[in-house]
Amino acid sequence: DTGVSQDPRHKITKRGQNVTFRCDPISEHNRLYWYRQTLGQGPEFLTYFQNEAQLEKSRLLSDRFSAERPKGSFSTLEIQRTEQGDSAMYLCASSSDVIFTNEQFFGPGTRLTVL
Amino acid sequence: AQKVTQAQTEISVVEKEDVTLDCVYETRDTTYYLFWYKQPPSGELVFLIRRNSFDEQNEISGRYSWNFQKSTSSFNFTITASQVVDSAVYFCALSEASSGGSYIPTFGRGTSLIVHP
Repeated sequence: DTGVSQDPRHKITKRGQNVTFRCDPISEHNRLYWYRQTLGQGPEFLTYFQNEAQLEKSRLLSDRFSAERPKGSFSTLEIQRTEQGDSAMYLCASSSDVIFTNEQFFGPGTRLTVL
Repeated sequence: AQKVTQAQTEISVVEKEDVTLDCVYETRDTTYYLFWYKQPPSGELVFLIRRNSFDEQNEISGRYSWNFQKSTSSFNFTITASQVVDSAVYFCALSEASSGGSYIPTFGRGTSLIVHP
């Protein structure tokens, strides 16, 4: 396992369509985070899982957004009825609370463009 | 609430120059963690360093060095003898121990470093 992977790397969709992104964390990491990054900004926290439990959600995560981590391994982030304002880079990160170093390791991101 | 300010939006230097990226933070916690990440044009954030609030010792790693000063709430990053490969956006981040164990970081807006040959 060489790092966090995300799929797809790029997604272009039309307004109103649903999209789903996948994140595979580093295998021994039990914590998984989703962030959104727009141009000229730092990553903004969306949601956080510890194992399969979704423990925290940002107010940025509207009801059109849903995230799951069904077996405590990979995670999916779904956006329903996409809007042009959803265009951004969606980043996934993982970390471990067993080896308490606290730093998160990021994937390459999924760049979403909503037309 | 935690806050990170990176006042420098963009810095342009010529190769071999030294450059310092500033980071100022705000927190009410006494226990917190500070980070620097590098985001090259490929987009993936690369972890560079973590410091906890009880360790003010400065750190050097090759051409990189970090100056942590609690008195001024700053955690500055210096690249010595910059190289073109250092061109990237650099983010400073802060996470608080009081966040219920989630340690969710707040990121600054980043500083874009351009190193010209």
